[in-house]
Amino acid sequence: AQSVTQLGSHVSVSEGALVLLRCNYSSSVPPYLFWYVQYPNQGLQLLLKYTSAATLVKGINGFEAEFKKSETSFHLTKPSAHMSDAAEYFCAVSEDTDKLIFGTGTRLQVFP
Amino acid sequence: EAGVTQFPSHSVIEKGQTVTLRCDPISGHDNLYWYRRVMGKEIKFLLHFVKESKQDESGMPNNRFLAERTGGTYSTLKVQPAELEDSGVYFCASSRTVNTEAFFGQGTRLTVV
Repeated sequence: AQSVTQLGSHVSVSEGALVLLRCNYSSSVPPYLFWYVQYPNQGLQLLLKYTSAATLVKGINGFEAEFKKSETSFHLTKPSAHMSDAAEYFCAVSEDTDKLIFGTGTRLQVFP
Repeated sequence: EAGVTQFPSHSVIEKGQTVTLRCDPISGHDNLYWYRRVMGKEIKFLLHFVKESKQDESGMPNNRFLAERTGGTYSTLKVQPAELEDSGVYFCASSRTVNTEAFFGQGTRLTVV
């Protein structure tokens, strides 16, 4: 069965600092992996997705994630945090880009 | 182009009452999904429609939940009778095909008291 683990329900960084949100997955088949973001009072928005092409995936707003099969990880990074990045981030896995299995989410706070 | 729209945005009902949530997908999207997030936990899949047919309803918690998508357009999710543990945020998403991006609505926050 597929599952996703997001380490750290809350992450705080200073503006301009590196953002690193961790995601580990479990899947019996080559997975499709996603990062979604939810800004306050909005729906989930796709940041980026991995679908077995390049292992380093670039998304919107300067975010990127690297698929590491040996570590079963898909961590999300951004070199320099901005105040507008404050939101909740969800990692998800899917066998066929159909039904999504989500992690519990990580709330990112950015301090000035 | 309008996004996925969900009604109502919030609902507070008493235990034992009935509530109906509605989702209007993006026009032309055959695939419609319902998910739920109970407070502090992960977002969980409930079911998937392809047009008006239920493709996968393996995530539906129990028979108090009934989802419909008559005519393959909007969908409703009825909870009858509601229990305290049904409280959470219900998300709807739609996609044109199963291999394309799913767009999510803002969610309906349901509180059962």
